[in-house]
Amino acid sequence: GAGVSQSPSNKVTEKGKDVELRCDPISGHTALYWYRQSLGQGLEFLIYFQGNSAPDKSGLPSDRFSAERTGGSVSTLTIQRTQQEDSAVYLCASSPGWTGELFFGEGSRLTVL
Amino acid sequence: SQELEQSPQSLIVQEGKNLTINCTSSKTLYGLYWYKQKYGEGLIFLMMLQKGGEEKSHEKITAKLDEKKQQSSLHITASQPSHAGIYLCGADLGGTSYGKLTFGQGTILTVHP
Repeated sequence: GAGVSQSPSNKVTEKGKDVELRCDPISGHTALYWYRQSLGQGLEFLIYFQGNSAPDKSGLPSDRFSAERTGGSVSTLTIQRTQQEDSAVYLCASSPGWTGELFFGEGSRLTVL
Repeated sequence: SQELEQSPQSLIVQEGKNLTINCTSSKTLYGLYWYKQKYGEGLIFLMMLQKGGEEKSHEKITAKLDEKKQQSSLHITASQPSHAGIYLCGADLGGTSYGKLTFGQGTILTVHP
């Protein structure tokens, strides 16, 4: 497809389980971002990738959160030992360098019971 | 308190009416970005403002940046049901050269036909 693709679109998990969220950016976009959107906190930056490197991980809320990107393309956000406060929509975005425009996917809605 | 405050939080207007959404920053703005989000979808980029006094228009939507007041306004003329959604302002508050944005809480716009 032409846009940013995220999977799964919905994920329900039990507290304490690990989850993986996947993002397939627009082909050729070197920059990739993860954001989190929740009712209480709004839309928050998590991490920025340039190629396969993550020069800015400042938004990851705890060491239970990690992300990687391979081949300068697909990225995976992993949350270990999920907690109820991790429930949110996780949005991935990509951009061809920085032009001021982020191209967002539709998000992965995570619910932790 | 939020670094980026949007007002109003929600807005209900009759089709054809004009409306304004404001975004005020507590920090220096290095760039101000307006996005629109429809329920269950990712964010769609509307426009970017970088210089004080800058004004941009796209169809019936106009955005302005007042650098001195650290404020931006989004104005919709002759609103239509298609304008309904959540409008978010995002700002580069750190002077980064990538898409690490701080977002406001959003303004929910409802347009009644």
